[in-house]
Amino acid sequence: GAGVSQTPSNKVTEKGKYVELRCDPISGHTALYWYRQSLGQGPEFLIYFQGTGAADDSGLPNDRFFAVRPEGSVSTLKIQRTERGDSAVYLCASSLVTDTEAFFGQGTRLTVV
Amino acid sequence: QKEVEQDPGPLSVPEGAIVSLNCTYSNSAFQYFMWYRQYSRKGPELLMYTYSSGNKEDGRFTAQVDKSSKYISLFIRDSQPSDSATYLCAMTILKAAGNKLTFGGGTRVLVKP
Repeated sequence: GAGVSQTPSNKVTEKGKYVELRCDPISGHTALYWYRQSLGQGPEFLIYFQGTGAADDSGLPNDRFFAVRPEGSVSTLKIQRTERGDSAVYLCASSLVTDTEAFFGQGTRLTVV
Repeated sequence: QKEVEQDPGPLSVPEGAIVSLNCTYSNSAFQYFMWYRQYSRKGPELLMYTYSSGNKEDGRFTAQVDKSSKYISLFIRDSQPSDSATYLCAMTILKAAGNKLTFGGGTRVLVKP
């Protein structure tokens, strides 16, 4: 595709449920990043992948959050036992390699009710 | 205290005016500095990328970095209504860490016709 694609655009879930957020990076980009942006705040780093492996997951807030990128392309961010505080826009970005410009998707707006 | 501070605004200016934005940071290890523009319900897009202290110009945009004061600025000349957006500063320590960025909270800018 032309850009980073994130699905769904919006997700409403009940407290305690499990959710998966998908990111399709730009074709050929080896580096992939997840950020979380709360209302009125800047994005906060969660995790980044170089290829299939998580190179840095230091931003994941707790063990309810997990992300995978099994074939080095599409990535899925998984949140277990969602809490109302997880409500935010989850942004994915990709770059050709780690030190080149990253391109962001439009984000998935997660609302936990 | 956050590592990167940014006045949330909103900053309202008439069309054609100069927009002046800034961020302060506390971590002297930051070496690479960026400015992103984010339209409502969209992902951030990179505007400017600077490494050393000093000025960098790109069209109507000028970025300034003062590492001694831990202060960065972005100026937008001849502002247009299409410049109305949230502007985010971001920074990182290592080029190899690429896009593991620490963002400011963003400044909302409104350019009135």
